[in-house]
Amino acid sequence: KAGVTQTPRYLIKTRGQQVTLSCSPISGHRSVSWYQQTPGQGLQFLFEYFSETQRNKGNFPGRFSGRQFSNSRSEMNVSTLELGDSALYLCASTKGGKWATDTQYFGPGTRLTVL
Amino acid sequence: DAKTTQPTSMDCAEGRAANLPCNHSTISGNEYVYWYRQIHSQGPQYIIHGLKNNETNEMASLIITEDRKSSTLILPHATLRDTAVYYCIVRGAHQGGSEKLVFGKGTKLTVNP
Repeated sequence: KAGVTQTPRYLIKTRGQQVTLSCSPISGHRSVSWYQQTPGQGLQFLFEYFSETQRNKGNFPGRFSGRQFSNSRSEMNVSTLELGDSALYLCASTKGGKWATDTQYFGPGTRLTVL
Repeated sequence: DAKTTQPTSMDCAEGRAANLPCNHSTISGNEYVYWYRQIHSQGPQYIIHGLKNNETNEMASLIITEDRKSSTLILPHATLRDTAVYYCIVRGAHQGGSEKLVFGKGTKLTVNP
């Protein structure tokens, strides 16, 4: 069974630009979560989508947004990029059942560099 | 904030067992203990999880104390490829979902030849 895939794997942008990252969950998984990882802050939760609806949100500014499509694929968007947005962006998928005990499986991440 | 406490770093000789401790003294009855590891700049890899009983899979064993306030991840025969940051995470079962994982700083395990 194919794992979680993320595209692109690497991205270089300049300040002020916007970026869209994509995540395809494991087949049959309906929940997709996004995380940001930086050396200073570690792994931090951005948001989670289930059945095309945002179900949980972390403490990030409104420049960070996401969406989920009917096939469970998800995108996250960062507008007006800042230098501090340089990070590894990870997505994880789970079956997304009624009780949140399913294991989350992570993708390889997208390395975003903002110049 | 993370509900777990782990040592910052540990060393282990190749071929020996690596025992990684985790304290989760405020764990509640419906919360699971999950372990992930992250090899440099890759996505976290799921290892194992448990609620009360000890668990074993092809990667590792998880020993949870009877009071559930601490646990130990055991890699029975560590190899150089096991060098990674290991995260212990406490995660509850919430009706309605919410898949948020709260990561602490983890333990940097270095396996030495």
